[in-house]
Amino acid sequence: AQKITQTQPGMFVQEKEAVTLDCTYDTSDPSYGLFWYKQPSSGEMIFLIYQGSYDQQNATEGRYSLNFQKARKSANLVISASQLGDSAMYFCAMREGQGRYSTLTFGKGTMLLVSP
Amino acid sequence: SAVISQKPSRDICQRGTSLTIQCQVDSQVTMMFWYRQQPGQSLTLIATANQGSEATYESGFVIDKFPISRPNLTFSTLTVSNMSPEDSSIYLCSVEGTGTDTQYFGPGTRLTVL
Repeated sequence: AQKITQTQPGMFVQEKEAVTLDCTYDTSDPSYGLFWYKQPSSGEMIFLIYQGSYDQQNATEGRYSLNFQKARKSANLVISASQLGDSAMYFCAMREGQGRYSTLTFGKGTMLLVSP
Repeated sequence: SAVISQKPSRDICQRGTSLTIQCQVDSQVTMMFWYRQQPGQSLTLIATANQGSEATYESGFVIDKFPISRPNLTFSTLTVSNMSPEDSSIYLCSVEGTGTDTQYFGPGTRLTVL
């Protein structure tokens, strides 16, 4: 079974609107972390937001928020007030276990296109 | 956060040759990670490099094909050996930020093998 599932290959949104990118995960480890990264066409991976499995509150970073529903094993990324520069590939990733040096498992990604 | 640089940023290489990719971090880190991203695909971990010991390779990746060096706490190299067109990918190094749970990535090396 896939550990990280991103079911939306592509999403379209108009500038200034909000958009939700879906991510579900599969793990039996009670300690894990969930990440979202943005990859523009240049290829770099830009860290956006992190949610720990024991965090009580949903993570927020500026226009980015993570809708963490632990029972449903989902960690959707919400981008508010979309901008043209948000057009990029978005990857959800998970790190399992308590070790800080555990590796990341990535989903297949969602391509977001923001139109004027 | 950590500031990570990679060299080269891109290269076009001939089949059968080797390329060494450098990764430099602005702070000392225990672990460095090397990932591969084939065209249109997600990231796949190649290996984990710990300073002073042999790198740990993931299933499907071997040391003869992807030798890694980790001479100190701020630097690592990944060599892609005896390249074929299937090695055309973006190669990214990453580290964990000091005092954080976050993993940061370098800008990547875009490799094309002809």
